Amino acid sequence: DAGVIQSPRHEVTEMGQEVTLRCKPISGHDYLFWYRQTMMRGLELLIYFNNNVPIDDSGMPEDRFSAKMPNASFSTLKIQPSEPRDSAVYFCASSERARGYTFGSGTRLTVV
Amino acid sequence: GESVGLHLPTLSVQEGDNSIINCAYSNSASDYFIWYKQESGKGPQFIIDIRSNMDKRQGQRVTVLLNKTVKHLSLQIAATQPGDSAVYFCAETSLRDDKIIFGKGTRLHILP
Repeated sequence: DAGVIQSPRHEVTEMGQEVTLRCKPISGHDYLFWYRQTMMRGLELLIYFNNNVPIDDSGMPEDRFSAKMPNASFSTLKIQPSEPRDSAVYFCASSERARGYTFGSGTRLTVV
Repeated sequence: GESVGLHLPTLSVQEGDNSIINCAYSNSASDYFIWYKQESGKGPQFIIDIRSNMDKRQGQRVTVLLNKTVKHLSLQIAATQPGDSAVYFCAETSLRDDKIIFGKGTRLHILP
């Protein structure tokens, strides 16, 4: 199994641009989580899905952030418009029954 | 890498010695706990977990201890090796919940 696959690994964009982060979970996992990691806040849960349905998006910072999961093998996290304070590493994780998450390698986002 | 905080507590241990990393969890309703290891530039990786009906669980070179009375969790690593150098996170959840909440992390530094 290739594990959780995230793309891109690195993204540098200008303030105001739209950014889309992508995640392919492990096949058969029914939970998908998006986390953001920064020096100041550590690992923060943004949103999670169960069977492709968003369950809790209370961690999404503001309306500029949106996430979708159109099918069991793909999810996106979109930021529009992006701001410098969005710079962070964004992780996707998947699990079976929300136990023992498997994380992807993350996307390092830099907004200049 | 910049995925972890510069201001994390750091534990420095001589190679070959045992390491003990401590964690205080916040929610007395939590009944499932996990330790993760995050190496530079990578996502967190599952190490070991424990349920609240246990106070000790052992894996390969690692042991997790749980003290529910004082809401304290520890990770013991035997015969610490250079490859153990990483940031270690404790995480808590309830078996009735889908979300895992991560602590701030401790950086383990191995001295030669």
